[in-house]
Amino acid sequence: QSALTQPASVSGSPGQSITISCTGTMRDVGGYDHVSWYQQHPGKAPKLLIFEVYDRPSGVSNRFSGSKSGNTASLTISGLQAEDEADYYCCSYASTNTRVFGSGTKVTVL
Amino acid sequence: EVQLVESGGDLVQPGRSLRLSCAASGFTFEGYAMHWVRQAPGKGLEWISSINENSGSLDYADSVKGRFTISRDNAKKSLYLQMNSLRAEDTAFYYCAKDKAWAIDIWGQGTLVTVSS
Repeated sequence: QSALTQPASVSGSPGQSITISCTGTMRDVGGYDHVSWYQQHPGKAPKLLIFEVYDRPSGVSNRFSGSKSGNTASLTISGLQAEDEADYYCCSYASTNTRVFGSGTKVTVL
Repeated sequence: EVQLVESGGDLVQPGRSLRLSCAASGFTFEGYAMHWVRQAPGKGLEWISSINENSGSLDYADSVKGRFTISRDNAKKSLYLQMNSLRAEDTAFYYCAKDKAWAIDIWGQGTLVTVSS
């Protein structure tokens, strides 16, 4: 149950697009389409952004989009805004009915 | 309003036990699987346990297996986490969370457990 691998930090200027990767194995990301993404601002609980690789809950901006290829899932934030500065985590269903989170990525808006 | 409220976090000595509770409101509690997720101060999220709707399926991360027990009372709309043999590395904020389509769509505000002598 090792954490999924994410870059420690990603940065971009307002209006730009950034992509955060999330790499696992065939036992988790590559084996199931049950990947979700979360945004967490300091001192707050996480917020669901994407589920089932691509789907957005109602109320989440369409600037957030998800994808997956092989053992790597990705979250793209387009039209980067100051309020997007936060920590982002991926999560995958894993074999034996468990879940595994990514190591987390700090997004900085320059 | 959909809400999850955790309680029970405390300062506890290594080797002791603690029970966390989570009160759910605003949704059909008995219709959803539930999770506990923790976050050590300044660190990332760690999934630790889940329970299905009728308590027929209980799952744990290796880091807590054999020490922690998840349970629920659908009549009381409550989720629990019994934590035994606590260690310093169990120090974290513990979040109660609701399952949605293999993801977590609702999170509580977290309760802090500190394990220290």
